[in-house]
Amino acid sequence: DGGITQSPKYLFRKEGQNVTLSCEQNLNHDAMYWYRQDPGQGLRLIYYSQIVNDFQKGDIAEGYSVSREKKESFPLTVTSAQKNPTAFYLCASSINPSTGFNTIYFGEGSWLTVV
Amino acid sequence: SQQGEEDPQALSIQEGENATMNCSYKTSINNLQWYRQNSGRGLVHLILIRSNEREKHSGRLRVTLDTSKKSSSLLITASRAADTASYFCATDANDYKLSFGAGTTVTVRA
Repeated sequence: DGGITQSPKYLFRKEGQNVTLSCEQNLNHDAMYWYRQDPGQGLRLIYYSQIVNDFQKGDIAEGYSVSREKKESFPLTVTSAQKNPTAFYLCASSINPSTGFNTIYFGEGSWLTVV
Repeated sequence: SQQGEEDPQALSIQEGENATMNCSYKTSINNLQWYRQNSGRGLVHLILIRSNEREKHSGRLRVTLDTSKKSSSLLITASRAADTASYFCATDANDYKLSFGAGTTVTVRA
């Protein structure tokens, strides 16, 4: 089946640890995104990538890092510098945002909790 | 930064009734989209309306766009229990990024 796969669904992080959330897509999409969603709130953009080996900071990039070595993969690392990482993380992709019809397809999300 | 703001924040209706929610935004856009999110899941795209369109339909969904007022509305007709979800508007400006509002939570009572 085509789609976006995020793993793990649930992740617990100890204070001072880095954790990496996986995101893989088989939709052949050029662009990929990471959003953070806090309970009862909207989505905030962490990082996005329009092509392989290139990515840009979103609105809340501090404490996060990404890589885009392959078209299909866009992992997000939540570093110890992110002081309040407990949230729902959503990965997404789109065909090519420069077309002007930037419909985004989302994965099922990953819950990260600091323990 | 969040461009769109949905109103109301929450809406509770009886099955069979219509649900209307609004979205206001701040800057010029290429298009506006509506997404649905079931609790604890990813978002699902519902409908896209271009900046030069005023109204669009898709099944039980009707979207309007008023660029002079920088606002959009989403109408769900004949609501069902399965429509219970949060609904988000997302605006596409000129920077290839979508900006999402905080959403409207809709509860459809049986």
